[in-house]
Amino acid sequence: GAVVSQHPSWVICKSGTSVKIECRSLDFQATTMFWYRQFPKQSLMLMATSNEGSKATYEQGVEKDKFLINHASLTLSTLTVTSAHPEDSSFYICSGATWGAGTEAFFGQGTRLTVV
Amino acid sequence: GDSVTQMEGPVTLSEEAFLTINCTYTATGYPSLFWYVQYPGEGLQLLLKATKADDKGSNKGFEATYRKETTSFHLEKGSVQVSDSAVYFCALCTDKLIFGTGTRLQVFP
Repeated sequence: GAVVSQHPSWVICKSGTSVKIECRSLDFQATTMFWYRQFPKQSLMLMATSNEGSKATYEQGVEKDKFLINHASLTLSTLTVTSAHPEDSSFYICSGATWGAGTEAFFGQGTRLTVV
Repeated sequence: GDSVTQMEGPVTLSEEAFLTINCTYTATGYPSLFWYVQYPGEGLQLLLKATKADDKGSNKGFEATYRKETTSFHLEKGSVQVSDSAVYFCALCTDKLIFGTGTRLQVFP
């Protein structure tokens, strides 16, 4: 299947700093990128959906000024956690999809963010 | 809004036992339905999918049938193996990909 590369896989940052997570589709063009947050032993919570060249659509309860999403090209999307706080510590996962018949989404390996 | 409900785990089975993990959905329109699997220490992988009513998705001995009348997409396998131990996520897709809470499967020899 197609490959989505997510970087970094693990990051520790100080409270108040910003962290950028990159998600690249390596061998396909992702017209849509999804960003999820996964809490321990819980499901993936959809944070936002972004289409290439458009502003991201955020789910209810997700602060768009805190979680900045950019999807500037068909192969790259970024999530920036601004002014991170310990409660932002979580596992973040991106997914790229190309819509059409037999749509399938491919997932990155995830980024574990720890804010201290 | 759209949502997916799947049975809580963990599901604990002996090797070669029959597996069913229930999944039901609520959606406007006609979603595509998916089962994803997350093996320990790995990312999510697509296991199978069905894009319209009565379609049956199958892969690696797992099957699920898209039942529009019962809004269900239950995952089944006739004989599980230890290597099937993982977390299984049911998901639907309309304009966004929504996941269920995941069900942990533990298979013992």
